[in-house]
Amino acid sequence: QQQVKQSPQSLIVQKGGIPIINCAYENTAFDYFPWYQQFPGKGPALLIAIRPDVSEKKEGRFTISFNKSAKQFSLHIMDSQPGDSATYFCAASVTGFQKLVFGTGTRLLVSP
Amino acid sequence: DAGITQSPRHKVTETGTPVTLRCHQTENHRYMYWYRQDPGHGLRLIHYSYGVKDTDKGEVSDGYSVSRSKTEDFLLTLESATSSQTSVYFCAISVGETQYFGPGTRLLVL
Repeated sequence: QQQVKQSPQSLIVQKGGIPIINCAYENTAFDYFPWYQQFPGKGPALLIAIRPDVSEKKEGRFTISFNKSAKQFSLHIMDSQPGDSATYFCAASVTGFQKLVFGTGTRLLVSP
Repeated sequence: DAGITQSPRHKVTETGTPVTLRCHQTENHRYMYWYRQDPGHGLRLIHYSYGVKDTDKGEVSDGYSVSRSKTEDFLLTLESATSSQTSVYFCAISVGETQYFGPGTRLLVL
């Protein structure tokens, strides 16, 4: 059972564009929502994370928007660069349970 | 890679053979995880450990077993490898809510 649904599966944008990746969850007990970035041949690495007490969080060019009532959250990459080309995973967990549920991933290509 | 190493990094094996993958960490973290990554499925949890000799199943545990006899090592065993177990396997540790991943092991079962 897929508890975190991620879309789109792949995305191509031009340099400077703003790719948006969306995730939706079902379990209302989830209270921690991280995004991971993965480059080819590497393990995923934490990019940014949010808790449901805020609606938005920014770190550099990366922003998470969170809509608790809709049970959705999204990643925006401002002024995207070719170096942002990677696979992005959203995830969710319940604090204290130490287990993450991952979305299926979005492969992003930023063209020069 | 947060002090996580995986071995081997690449392996080719034949159907029906046993395979053991090793994850080693250097910082004595309590929680360790094994995931597999497949196109269209993202990362799926196979097994995890919350201490020496304490392990539990994830969502795709069939055909896999694990052992943790020391804090620093978490072993994943495929008792009799099948072609459906061809995948990239990642080990992870958790620090608070954050999980840190190793470099992965690419396994091909012929």
